[in-house]
Amino acid sequence: KAGVTQTPRYLIKTRGQQVTLSCSPISGHRSVSWYQQTPGQGLQFLFEYFSETQRNKGNFPGRFSGRQFSNSRSEMNVSTLELGDSALYLCASSRGTGSVYEQYFGPGTRLTVT
Amino acid sequence: AQTVTQSQPEMSVQEAETVTLSCTYDTSESDYYLFWYKQPPSRQMILVIRQEAYKQQNATENRFSVNFQKAAKSFSLKISDSQLGDAAMYFCAYRSSSLQGGSEKLVFGKGTKLTVNP
Repeated sequence: KAGVTQTPRYLIKTRGQQVTLSCSPISGHRSVSWYQQTPGQGLQFLFEYFSETQRNKGNFPGRFSGRQFSNSRSEMNVSTLELGDSALYLCASSRGTGSVYEQYFGPGTRLTVT
Repeated sequence: AQTVTQSQPEMSVQEAETVTLSCTYDTSESDYYLFWYKQPPSRQMILVIRQEAYKQQNATENRFSVNFQKAAKSFSLKISDSQLGDAAMYFCAYRSSSLQGGSEKLVFGKGTKLTVNP
């Protein structure tokens, strides 16, 4: 079974630009969560989507947004990029039914903002 | 809000020895789940072990075991017979139970970098 895939793997953007990251979950998984990982702040929850609906949201500014499609693939968008948005963005998928099912993480997208 | 604290930024262990990584958490919930994740350098995060708070028995997965002290809100990870492949960042994580809205949100600690010396 294919794992969680994220595209692109690496991205370099300039301040003020916007970026879209993509996450394809494991087949059959309906929940996709996004996390930002930085050396200073560690792993911080961005948002979670389940069946095309945002189920939970972290404490990030409105420049960070996401969506989920009917095939469970998810995208996150960051507008008006700032230097502090440089990070590894991880997505994780699970069945999403609320039981203790394992969340499977993708390899991440490393975003560098210059 | 829940918080997770890992007080050891770095730890080292000799190959074949045992090491314990510490984790404490703060929550007002009575039902929740705790996890240890491993993130090798430049590789994907993988689940090492999980513990349901309602279970008194400590979870064990091969060489990995936990010491779950619910009253003390402590959740340490013990790695026995350490191997070179165990070198990684280890993250402790908390998740509310399904009764809390069903969200999959994980709250992570800052991580412990484990070095295994040959």
